[in-house]
Amino acid sequence: ELKVEQNPLFLSMQEGKNYTIYCNYSTTSDRLYWYRQDPGKSLESLFVLLSNGAVKQEGRLMASLDTKARLSTLHITAAVHDLSATYFCAVDMKTSYDKVIFGPGTSLSVIP
Amino acid sequence: DGGITQSPKYLFRKEGQNVTLSCEQNLNHDAMYWYRQDPGQGLRLIYYSQIVNDFQKGDIAEGYSVSREKKESFPLTVTSAQKNPTAFYLCASSLTTGDGYTFGSGTRLTVV
Repeated sequence: ELKVEQNPLFLSMQEGKNYTIYCNYSTTSDRLYWYRQDPGKSLESLFVLLSNGAVKQEGRLMASLDTKARLSTLHITAAVHDLSATYFCAVDMKTSYDKVIFGPGTSLSVIP
Repeated sequence: DGGITQSPKYLFRKEGQNVTLSCEQNLNHDAMYWYRQDPGQGLRLIYYSQIVNDFQKGDIAEGYSVSREKKESFPLTVTSAQKNPTAFYLCASSLTTGDGYTFGSGTRLTVV
């Protein structure tokens, strides 16, 4: 059974600092997604990573995928308060449809 | 604009009542999904449907039922058999081409 873990689960960081969120998964997959959720809101797609070595960047966020290590990272550069949210990684089980398993989420709080 | 519409945004259920949550998409997506999210938790899959007139149980299907009579619609009924239905319910859809999910805005269900 596919398991998806995130580390850390809670993160409090100062504005201007850098940090990385890690997403580990337990079985072979080459499709991984990152989502953002603001309190009380739905999930917003951030990145779609479709192959080993994929790297995508949007603003202060950069995501990467290492399928051999079964690891994805979400790197935050020079954090700002607006990045405060919960970040979920999700792994595609590569069945005949998009059955996706979500990690538990990382709650990020950026402090001035 | 294409997207997923969930209604209502807030729903209150009395003990012993069945309630139905609506999910409509105009993205021409084949697959649709229902997830439940409890406070501070990740997403758990309730039901999914890959094609019209076909659906499968997810990890926590007990006390829930669905139908898929049209490609655009995937309503979820929370039955009286679901003993702890208070949660945030998210509907999602996908094209099954590896682009990940598009989420609706969610329905917050509370038992009163």
